[in-house]
Amino acid sequence: QQQVKQSPQSLIVQKGGIPIINCAYENTAFDYFPWYQQFPGKGPALLIAIRPDVSEKKEGRFTISFNKSAKQFSLHIMDSQPGDSATYFCAASTSRNDYKLSFGAGTTVTVRA
Amino acid sequence: ETGVTQSPTHLIKTRGQQVTLRCSSQSGHNTVSWYQQALGQGPQFIFQYYREEENGRGNFPPRFSGLQFPNYSSELNVNALELDDSALYLCASSSVGGNTIYFGEGSWLTVV
Repeated sequence: QQQVKQSPQSLIVQKGGIPIINCAYENTAFDYFPWYQQFPGKGPALLIAIRPDVSEKKEGRFTISFNKSAKQFSLHIMDSQPGDSATYFCAASTSRNDYKLSFGAGTTVTVRA
Repeated sequence: ETGVTQSPTHLIKTRGQQVTLRCSSQSGHNTVSWYQQALGQGPQFIFQYYREEENGRGNFPPRFSGLQFPNYSSELNVNALELDDSALYLCASSSVGGNTIYFGEGSWLTVV
């Protein structure tokens, strides 16, 4: 069964908008939550990651919000640009399991100029 | 660029054949993992290699096997190919105990 559930499947925003992607997990042993960005024909590229001891992390225009009690985390893309159009995957893993990643199903984000 | 290189980039095989995919990990990374990404889906963990031994396996049958070499490069072998094996196969490398995992560009396998 899928250990990480991701939504929505796709979304379209205008340039400057803030696409928000949500993920939920059940396994409380997960202690590392990365987000990957994937362009067509390319491998996933690490975007940003968070551990459950913090509730928010920002790197450039990308922000992760983490809610440990709800077992949910989300990615916000601030001031989105057409170049951000890609598929985004959330993932989760445990340090005790050598960081073998469980991925969500992906969200295709389209940013219109 | 992640420093993880994979070959070949694309290949077509016939059902029942065998395939070998290759991966060179990023310099200094001694742990290699393989993932299968079907079209429109997230990557699925196949297995991980550390010190030339399998270190964990996902829900994949034994006809999926691998090797890691002393230089940390790796191979993924799939026997008795099935149509559902058509996917992007991704290699990822990391340092032992490290949580930063870098992916290669992948090998596209089409089984006809």
